[in-house]
Amino acid sequence: GAVVSQHPSWVICKSGTSVKIECRSLDFQATTMFWYRQFPKQSLMLMATSNEGSKATYEQGVEKDKFLINHASLTLSTLTVTSAHPEDSSFYICSARDLEAGEYEQYFGPGTRLTVT
Amino acid sequence: GQNIDQPTEMTATEGAIVQINCTYQTSGFNGLFWYQQHAGEAPTFLSYNVLDGLEEKGRFSSFLSRSKGYSYLLLKELQMKDSASYLCAVVDSNYQLIWGAGTKLIIKP
Repeated sequence: GAVVSQHPSWVICKSGTSVKIECRSLDFQATTMFWYRQFPKQSLMLMATSNEGSKATYEQGVEKDKFLINHASLTLSTLTVTSAHPEDSSFYICSARDLEAGEYEQYFGPGTRLTVT
Repeated sequence: GQNIDQPTEMTATEGAIVQINCTYQTSGFNGLFWYQQHAGEAPTFLSYNVLDGLEEKGRFSSFLSRSKGYSYLLLKELQMKDSASYLCAVVDSNYQLIWGAGTKLIIKP
């Protein structure tokens, strides 16, 4: 099956700093990538959808200036949490889909656990 | 609005069978996924149904009835490692995945 990687797998940062998370599709071209956030014991919450070469579409309530998404190529998307605060501590998961290949399935990365102190 | 309902939590015994139900109301339908998610890990794909009927894959089976807006995931010969959350997700008319809140399955010896 298709493989999606995320880096880093975990990160601890100080309040006020910015953190960049990378999501890569390793063996397929991801026309669409999704970023999710998951708080403990809660379900996945979609933050934004990004298509290669265009601006991301953010879900209601997600600050686009705080969570910067760049989908610069068909195999790489990045999420930058700017001016992180303790309430941003969460499990961030990306997924990728190759819709042009008729793939509706989303392939998930392993997730990045962010802790803001 | 779009809505997907599944039980919050279920408990079953090792070696037994459990059925996790999912009902949905979405704008359009282009298939239904079941994912498994262990605590602290990303979801992993279990099944995809787009036509009515039962799809069997080893110990796991998934059923779909489009006319009823209903699906279930059937897990047989339960093992302790099956303790996880099971997520139901529907592909809507815009090819977006609409997620259920997940069912936490607890397996007891």
